[in-house]
Amino acid sequence: LAKTTQPISMDSYEGQEVNITCSHNNIATNDYITWYQQFPSQGPRFIIQGYKTKVTNEVASLFIPADRKSSTLSLPRVSLSDTAVYYCLVGVPTGTASKLTFGTGTRLQVTL
Amino acid sequence: DSGVTQTPKHLITATGQRVTLRCSPRSGDLSVYWYQQSLDQGLQFLIQYYNGEERAKGNILERFSAQQFPDLHSELNLSSLELGDSALYFCASSVGDRQPGNTIYFGEGSWLTVV
Repeated sequence: LAKTTQPISMDSYEGQEVNITCSHNNIATNDYITWYQQFPSQGPRFIIQGYKTKVTNEVASLFIPADRKSSTLSLPRVSLSDTAVYYCLVGVPTGTASKLTFGTGTRLQVTL
Repeated sequence: DSGVTQTPKHLITATGQRVTLRCSPRSGDLSVYWYQQSLDQGLQFLIQYYNGEERAKGNILERFSAQQFPDLHSELNLSSLELGDSALYFCASSVGDRQPGNTIYFGEGSWLTVV
């Protein structure tokens, strides 16, 4: 079963744009791609969701290429409070169904 | 606040014991999911229920079981506990099963410590 992988960690300065990529080369055909933010000892918090091309909301953008084998979460002008772990969630085919699988997570550290 | 409620928030128990974690999904949500997160580890899918029926199974041990009741709340039962079962257990819920655009919302977790 192919893993859903992300960079282990990223560092950024406050005010910069941060792009986090998730590789999911075995994504289920009909499943969406969802990104979550998690602070220590808290539940994952929904950020954004998409199927293909580009999706934007008030906090982030999500870029998905045509082959859907990866996705990139873009956080514009990060602040210290964006320091957290970010996970992608995708459906991975398992026989006739699919299993929702989290990526390995990316720890983002934002500093002044 | 996601609307998903989990109890207890913290639990300490001894090896060999059995515990039950409870989850109330968001109002109107029919699907419930359980995930395990060990210290500094990722989120491992355990099991999913939809409207009372088991829909998908992940890396759930035979010592663990779950069910979803007619009022849609769910319970995760962990038995013969081992030290390695110490983890955060998250419940999540969504409106539907696996249709496109079905967003999953997570509770704040139940922190289990086995001593």
